[in-house]
Amino acid sequence: RKEVEQDPGPFNVPEGATVAFNCTYSNSASQSFFWYRQDCRKEPKLLMSVYSSGNEDGRFTAQLNRASQYISLLIRDSKLSDSATYLCVVNAFAGGTSYGKLTFGQGTILTVHP
Amino acid sequence: NAGVTQTPKFRVLKTGQSMTLLCAQDMNHEYMYWYRQDPGMGLRLIHYSVGEGTTAKGEVPDGYNVSRLKKQNFLLGLESAAPSQTSVYFCASRSRDRAYNEQFFGPGTRLTVL
Repeated sequence: RKEVEQDPGPFNVPEGATVAFNCTYSNSASQSFFWYRQDCRKEPKLLMSVYSSGNEDGRFTAQLNRASQYISLLIRDSKLSDSATYLCVVNAFAGGTSYGKLTFGQGTILTVHP
Repeated sequence: NAGVTQTPKFRVLKTGQSMTLLCAQDMNHEYMYWYRQDPGMGLRLIHYSVGEGTTAKGEVPDGYNVSRLKKQNFLLGLESAAPSQTSVYFCASRSRDRAYNEQFFGPGTRLTVL
């Protein structure tokens, strides 16, 4: 079983649609959770951190369910510029200090069309 | 403030050749990382460093060596390149302070080994 699993998609949605991505992780000791965005042939960039209480940043909402080891990202009112690969990321905690090491899911491809 | 830079951007090697990838960051970050990204695999950690003069193995360290002689630089070496090392290589850095847990990535190096 992969440590972080995502539906690779691709997701093709029209502008204005709402789209949701899901992710599961296997390490119950993980403490930090993120969504990164990666544009085609570019480097990953942090989209948002994910907190237990859930958090929102404009059109983006992230949620964490520790009991189910499940992370989600909701994008409302999709824009053409949201087209990218969305990476679910979990800190690679194995006891002691993780030194910020991260484990990445394979990514979910989103294409928003006119 | 250039952030994280990587040299070179592209490289083609023949099997058995050696090369060094250079990563530089100007954010005074303690932690630095080397990842490789392959289709369908997500980013995988090769080696990392928690400070000048220290390095440690990540998830896929075989065939690579690293050095961190200066805080701002992290070098990744391939002593005898193999076709399986064809990949996109990303360097990242992060502050040691847990309050600033975002990893910043360089633009990547696309390496092809023939």
